[in-house]
Amino acid sequence: QQQVKQSPQSLIVQKGGISIINCAYENTAFDYFPWYQQFPGKGPALLIAIRPDVSEKKEGRFTISFNKSAKQFSLHIMDSQPGDSATYFCAASKGRSNDYKLSFGAGTTVTVRA
Amino acid sequence: DTGVSQDPRHKITKRGQNVTFRCDPISEHNRLYWYRQTLGQGPEFLTYFQNEAQLEKSRLLSDRFSAERPKGSFSTLEIQRTEQGDSAMYLCASSFGDRGGVEAFFGQGTRLTVV
Repeated sequence: QQQVKQSPQSLIVQKGGISIINCAYENTAFDYFPWYQQFPGKGPALLIAIRPDVSEKKEGRFTISFNKSAKQFSLHIMDSQPGDSATYFCAASKGRSNDYKLSFGAGTTVTVRA
Repeated sequence: DTGVSQDPRHKITKRGQNVTFRCDPISEHNRLYWYRQTLGQGPEFLTYFQNEAQLEKSRLLSDRFSAERPKGSFSTLEIQRTEQGDSAMYLCASSFGDRGGVEAFFGQGTRLTVV
């Protein structure tokens, strides 16, 4: 049973456009929500992460929006570039419960067209 | 390179053979994780070490799988009597515990193909 549900499965965006990926969770014990970027044949790379005490976090062109009451969070990629073409995974863990394993979503493949 | 290192990067083995993978975590990281990733899916947790102690094992980790982390440094994951269903990318990650956080950094993975 997947604890974090991610959508869409794939998306295509034009260069300069905005990519939006959504994730939802049920377990309210989750308190750390990272996003990972993965290129083919490579391991996932930590992109940005958020904790539920803030509603938004921005790092460069990447922004996480977090809605605690709805148990949803999303990744926005602004000014998408061809180099952003990759698979993105949301994840969650329960650090305060000393449970640090990550539960991943199924991934979203982003294709940025030049 | 001070990141998480995994060896080998690729392994092709015949069904029924044993294989062993190695992971060298980031040097100051006390937590080490193994995950498995199949095509088109997110990584799935297998097991976790804090220092040399194996603290949790997923039900995905059948009795054919064993992991060790001697002296709390590198870790090995062994699969005995491999099956075709074991074909996957095996990922190792490490993190530093006291930050209350779980910024886990992944290695490049070992791609296992069982033929």
